[in-house]
Amino acid sequence: DAGVIQSPRHEVTEMGQEVTLRCKPISGHDYLFWYRQTMMRGLELLIYFNNNVPIDDSGMPEDRFSAKMPNASFSTLKIQPSEPRDSAVYFCASSSFRTLNEKLFFGSGTQLSVL
Amino acid sequence: SQQGEEDPQALSIQEGENATMNCSYKTSINNLQWYRQNSGRGLVHLILIRSNEREKHSGRLRVTLDTSKKSSSLLITASRAADTASYFCATDVDSGNTPLVFGKGTRLSVIA
Repeated sequence: DAGVIQSPRHEVTEMGQEVTLRCKPISGHDYLFWYRQTMMRGLELLIYFNNNVPIDDSGMPEDRFSAKMPNASFSTLKIQPSEPRDSAVYFCASSSFRTLNEKLFFGSGTQLSVL
Repeated sequence: SQQGEEDPQALSIQEGENATMNCSYKTSINNLQWYRQNSGRGLVHLILIRSNEREKHSGRLRVTLDTSKKSSSLLITASRAADTASYFCATDVDSGNTPLVFGKGTRLSVIA
């Protein structure tokens, strides 16, 4: 299996532009997570899905952030409009286990820079 | 909110030495996990220890868990330059089916 695949690997955009990050989880995994990593705040959980259904989006910082999972093999995280403080590395992770607290498989991340 | 907190924040050792990293957490847990992150890459799962376990081994890794002190340690024996990475602990909260919360990590540098 190719693992969790994220695209793009790097994204540079200007303030106010829309940004879409993409994730393909490992086939057969029921849970999908979006995390954001910064030096100041570490790794923060933004939202997670179970069987394509959003379960908890309390970590999404603002209404400018939205996430979807239209099918079991694809998820997007959208920021509209983007701001410089959104600059971070965004990770997608998936898990095959019935409970949330088991082993996670991470993608390589998207390095987002908002100028 | 931060559940786990690693100590030290950074550690530099010579190749062949042992590296010990610690993690403290605040609430009761079901399990604790350790992950490694190489520069510019995603996190990779290393080991999971459950709340009823006290010690676990995997190759050159040894993890201990002390639930009375709410702490865990990760020992890497005979370190190699390739072990240079950031190491994170992650915990759940023993109050139901909750997602993992990660600490800010320990940056380990192994000098050849």
